[in-house]
Amino acid sequence: DGGITQSPKYLFRKEGQNVTLSCEQNLNHDAMYWYRQDPGQGLRLIYYSQIVNDFQKGDIAEGYSVSREKKESFPLTVTSAQKNPTAFYLCASRSGTGNNSPLHFGNGTRLTVT
Amino acid sequence: SQKIEQNSEALNIQEGKTATLTCNYTNYSPAYLQWYRQDPGRGPVFLLLIRENEKEKRKERLKVTFDTTLKQSLFHITASQPADSATYLCALDNAGNNRKLIWGLGTSLAVNP
Repeated sequence: DGGITQSPKYLFRKEGQNVTLSCEQNLNHDAMYWYRQDPGQGLRLIYYSQIVNDFQKGDIAEGYSVSREKKESFPLTVTSAQKNPTAFYLCASRSGTGNNSPLHFGNGTRLTVT
Repeated sequence: SQKIEQNSEALNIQEGKTATLTCNYTNYSPAYLQWYRQDPGRGPVFLLLIRENEKEKRKERLKVTFDTTLKQSLFHITASQPADSATYLCALDNAGNNRKLIWGLGTSLAVNP
């Protein structure tokens, strides 16, 4: 089955540590996205990539970094510089780069930093 | 300022009735509007997309309308079932800002048997 896989589902880290969230897709999609979801807020875009070896900052990129070395993979690193890292992180992909095609989401990683 | 609003209160309806969810926006001129379903602890799942020049779109028991004059989209689920209970998100294409999707907070729907 084609889809997006995020791992792990739950992640716990101590403050001051960097942590990397995995996102893999086998849909052959060009564009991939990272969102953050917090209670009382809509999905907020962290980073996106429309093609391999290229990515752009979203609305809340500070404290995060990404790479896109392969079409299938778009890992997100939450660095110690991110002030409020505890959140539900969602990875998504789409076949084109325009907003006339739907996003396909993974089932998220819930990160807790204490 | 730019805003996108969905019913903030949860919607409770009886099985078999039609659920109607609202998505209002201000200071946007979206070319597309999308609706997604999200279950607790899972990622959103795409349901329907409607273009600015389309008044209505249907898919099985789902219907979406898009009124660019009222700046509103309505999402209807007819003959609702308990399995339709979830949070429903609307997202619009913000044509004026790198065409990023802008998301509403979602409306929680509970269908009671």
